Amino acid sequence: RKEVEQDPGPFNVPEGATVAFNCTYSNSASQSFFWYRQDCRKEPKLLMSVYSSGNEDGRFTAQLNRASQYISLLIRDSKLSDSATYLCVVNYPNKLVFGAGTILRVKS
Amino acid sequence: DAGITQSPRHKVTETGTPVTLRCHQTENHRYMYWYRQDPGHGLRLIHYSYGVKDTDKGEVSDGYSVSRSKTEDFLLTLESATSSQTSVYFCAIKASGGTDTQYFGPGTRLTVL
Repeated sequence: RKEVEQDPGPFNVPEGATVAFNCTYSNSASQSFFWYRQDCRKEPKLLMSVYSSGNEDGRFTAQLNRASQYISLLIRDSKLSDSATYLCVVNYPNKLVFGAGTILRVKS
Repeated sequence: DAGITQSPRHKVTETGTPVTLRCHQTENHRYMYWYRQDPGHGLRLIHYSYGVKDTDKGEVSDGYSVSRSKTEDFLLTLESATSSQTSVYFCAIKASGGTDTQYFGPGTRLTVL
């Protein structure tokens, strides 16, 4: 089993849609969780940290389910500019482990 | 902007030649990392540093070496480049304040022919 697994997509959605990504991780001892966004041929950029109580930042909501070892990212009212690859990131002892990413394409 | 630059940004080289990539940061961060990114894989850790002259291996360290003689610079060397090392290389720093958050440089696109 991979340490961090994501559905690669692509998710093709119309503008204004709500879309959700899930990510599963294998290390039950992980304590820190993140979502990064990566545009084509650019570096990953932190989108949000994921807290155990769940957190929201504008149109983005992140949830953590420790019992089932998965993290989710919900994007509401999708914009064209949300088109990117979304990376799920989990800390393991002394390192961060990155999922391979989920591709989102928002179309007009 | 975490104040991270990488050089060169693009490089084409031939199999068997040595290559050195440079990561430079301006904010005195202790931890620095080198990753490679390939299609179908997440970013994979090559080496990291936790201080001047203090480095350790990541999961894909074979064929790579690193050095950190100054806080601001972290060098990645491919002693004898191979085609399997064609990749995009990202440098990262760990944010201060006890968090695990990392911030990335713009990347170096390396092609080994």
